[in-house]
Amino acid sequence: LAKTTQPISMDSYEGQEVNITCSHNNIATNDYITWYQQFPSQGPRFIIQGYKTKVTNEVASLFIPADRKSSTLSLPRVSLSDTAVYYCLASPDSNYQLIWGAGTKLIIKP
Amino acid sequence: EAQVTQNPRYLITVTGKKLTVTCSQNMNHEYMSWYRQDPGLGLRQIYYSMNVEVTDKGDVPEGYKVSRKEKRNFPLILESPSPNQTSLYFCASRSGTSSYNEQFFGPGTRLTVL
Repeated sequence: LAKTTQPISMDSYEGQEVNITCSHNNIATNDYITWYQQFPSQGPRFIIQGYKTKVTNEVASLFIPADRKSSTLSLPRVSLSDTAVYYCLASPDSNYQLIWGAGTKLIIKP
Repeated sequence: EAQVTQNPRYLITVTGKKLTVTCSQNMNHEYMSWYRQDPGLGLRQIYYSMNVEVTDKGDVPEGYKVSRKEKRNFPLILESPSPNQTSLYFCASRSGTSSYNEQFFGPGTRLTVL
């Protein structure tokens, strides 16, 4: 079973901020939270990663509260091209193999 | 350009006809792996390799073989393909052994076994 739980699907509109929440009640102390994006018929692409508090890059922000039981991927001002499946993963600092859930299918409407 | 390449991108074959899907990366990564993806499911790992001559089974290894004779190449072999191996296959690589390191994925190989 995946160590994380996220909504199966979401939709939003162009120009809006989209927040996708991921639940990970039982992640280990050495787990990082990593998000990948996958477009249809393409391989997943790394978006962002964090351990605690807030991380921001040119694509997204990741908020992880102090208790680390959940995290939120924030996509500012989405466009149609942000329509994709987003995966939340608990990634330990070890050679433990990642477990991929079904992800969240995000649909952006005009 | 740093990338993972796979060939072929599309393949239609018949039951029992041996095939190989090649994977190559130019980033000098130690770790490589193969995944399959089926509709409505996440990625499921088939095999992985921590380094040259080191391979291990993932979650769904039955019916597949791999080899890692060179650091850059990690071919996936289906000795006797069956229809239940019809799927979208991805090869991936990452530096080091820590699973939090960014994985780089190939473009995918869509396999149909009749």
